[in-house]
Amino acid sequence: GQQLNQSPQSMFIQEGEDVSMNCTSSSIFNTWLWYKQDPGEGPVLLIALYKAGELTSNGRLTAQFGITRKDSFLNISASIPSDVGIYFCAGRGNTGKLIFGQGTTLQVKP
Amino acid sequence: NAGVTQTPKFRVLKTGQSMTLLCAQDMNHEYMYWYRQDPGMGLRLIHYSVGEGTTAKGEVPDGYNVSRLKKQNFLLGLESAAPSQTSVYFCASSLQGYANYGYTFGSGTRLTVV
Repeated sequence: GQQLNQSPQSMFIQEGEDVSMNCTSSSIFNTWLWYKQDPGEGPVLLIALYKAGELTSNGRLTAQFGITRKDSFLNISASIPSDVGIYFCAGRGNTGKLIFGQGTTLQVKP
Repeated sequence: NAGVTQTPKFRVLKTGQSMTLLCAQDMNHEYMYWYRQDPGMGLRLIHYSVGEGTTAKGEVPDGYNVSRLKKQNFLLGLESAAPSQTSVYFCASSLQGYANYGYTFGSGTRLTVV
């Protein structure tokens, strides 16, 4: 079946630094979504991307739908302590359901 | 707005015991899903439902059963719990199956099987 590879698996950064993470696949996806999971909570949708090449921002977050439709990127600018959590990419595959990446765990040092 | 509510939040089971996890949503969503989350493996789909009275298998359905007798509720059952089912379980719902608007998740049930 379709799979997503998300990297890096974990990041430990200093407050104020920018963060980049990505998801790649060997197959095409029609929609890319980025979620954040706070400790002890369920994932919450951050950004949704619907067209190849699309670049969308949500505050300090910017995500892009890769032109090949096989990848997506999430950038966080000027990180703050509340950015801590697990970030998941998800793609809508050919079955219509979401397929999730393994997650990127972000830790921010004040 | 309650969104998606999962009960219980925590549970410890002995091997071989059974239990039911309850998911309730108040958004009139047609589609509901059960995922399990394990370290380094992301979210894996166990079962899902495309409407009241329907269920279907996901990626890792073995050892689980589900029922959707009412549109707002989606139950996940473990008939004979095994240590390999120790995980965090998330329920989610979506208005439409093609997920263009993403899924709304509950806050999870942390299950330990000893």
